[in-house]
Amino acid sequence: KAGVTQTPRYLIKTRGQQVTLSCSPISGHRSVSWYQQTPGQGLQFLFEYFSETQRNKGNFPGRFSGRQFSNSRSEMNVSTLELGDSALYLCASSLRGSLDEQFFGPGTRLTVL
Amino acid sequence: GESVGLHLPTLSVQEGDNSIINCAYSNSASDYFIWYKQESGKGPQFIIDIRSNMDKRQGQRVTVLLNKTVKHLSLQIAATQPGDSAVYFCADKAGSNYKLTFGKGTLLTVNP
Repeated sequence: KAGVTQTPRYLIKTRGQQVTLSCSPISGHRSVSWYQQTPGQGLQFLFEYFSETQRNKGNFPGRFSGRQFSNSRSEMNVSTLELGDSALYLCASSLRGSLDEQFFGPGTRLTVL
Repeated sequence: GESVGLHLPTLSVQEGDNSIINCAYSNSASDYFIWYKQESGKGPQFIIDIRSNMDKRQGQRVTVLLNKTVKHLSLQIAATQPGDSAVYFCADKAGSNYKLTFGKGTLLTVNP
């Protein structure tokens, strides 16, 4: 079956703009997690959604938000972009979250100029 | 995993050798641990996991060892192959918390 897909794969924005990234989980998976990956900070958890509800949130400012739709697809939004938001944004899906294996997508490479 | 640092530890091995990648975690409440492999341009890929009620688990060519006393996790790769070259991350989770905490990662380079 198809893996986790993320769109777009690459994105260039300027400071102050906002961006929306999309993630389509594996069919049947109801949990979607988002991570930010940077060379300096590594992989950091942003938030996790299950059945359209955010169950957990990492230590990121309120400019980072997300949502999940009834078909389990998820979007994350970053408003008022800063240079430091340049990163690879990874989405992972699993059946229920928690102890289920997470499958990662290829990520969206965001560059903020 | 620990708070990530600025530098990525590296491990260089010869093809056919065994590799051992280490990871320390800081949360004594962590009860589930995972090793991921990330190749260039791709997202992390699950390798093997272990729960806190175990101290060893084996997969195909990989073994994970867990030492809860010193909060240490290791990944052993037998007969390392060039295709094993990647960055390896450990991650841990505590209780009903759905958040995975990742370690800093180790870059494994396998020389033919």
